[in-house]
Amino acid sequence: DTEVTQTPKHLVMGMTNKKSLKCEQHMGHRAMYWYKQKAKKPPELMFVYSYEKLSINESVPSRFSPECPNSSLLNLHLHALQPEDSALYLCASSQGRGTGANVLTFGAGSRLTVL
Amino acid sequence: AQKVTQAQTEISVVEKEDVTLDCVYETRDTTYYLFWYKQPPSGELVFLIRRNSFDEQNEISGRYSWNFQKSTSSFNFTITASQVVDSAVYFCALTLGSSNTGKLIFGQGTTLQVKP
Repeated sequence: DTEVTQTPKHLVMGMTNKKSLKCEQHMGHRAMYWYKQKAKKPPELMFVYSYEKLSINESVPSRFSPECPNSSLLNLHLHALQPEDSALYLCASSQGRGTGANVLTFGAGSRLTVL
Repeated sequence: AQKVTQAQTEISVVEKEDVTLDCVYETRDTTYYLFWYKQPPSGELVFLIRRNSFDEQNEISGRYSWNFQKSTSSFNFTITASQVVDSAVYFCALTLGSSNTGKLIFGQGTTLQVKP
């Protein structure tokens, strides 16, 4: 069983909908990440939270809004998405602050389809 | 600029064959970390190994082995006696020691298909 849990596993939404992706970990990790992965491509970093503070936003459009309510939870709020936003969204966590030495533990992902 | 190249897009082997996945990286930093992750059809990326730039020792873990050569900027991964369960996409990735984000720079991935 994965130690990073993502819900929902699948999500279909229209371009005018508002939805959220959720991520939870109980490993005591203090850095959490959102990655986006298109089909047959490597994951691309979107956001990094370190000690519940947003430390990196990789120029992600504002229709994606991250939130880290506490050290175990990470949300990604979605609003007015475009069909090209359809992808697998992966959450990950790592010990301590985000550093180059960190080993990331990934969840199984939420597969998003925007109609 | 940093870059990771996995020249093999897809590899198909028959069970019990040995297979090597190539990874070449580029960076001017002297401190960096190299990783291999496996992504099975279920979607999650599974960590396989991390190697820092100062440790060129090869490593063996069961059927898996890794060959790190700084002289050729390569970090190749070999699966001995492949099994159907090894079928997955394998990503080689790089992070910099100076990074304060843990950002993984991924290669394009190699899809390995092991046929029974």
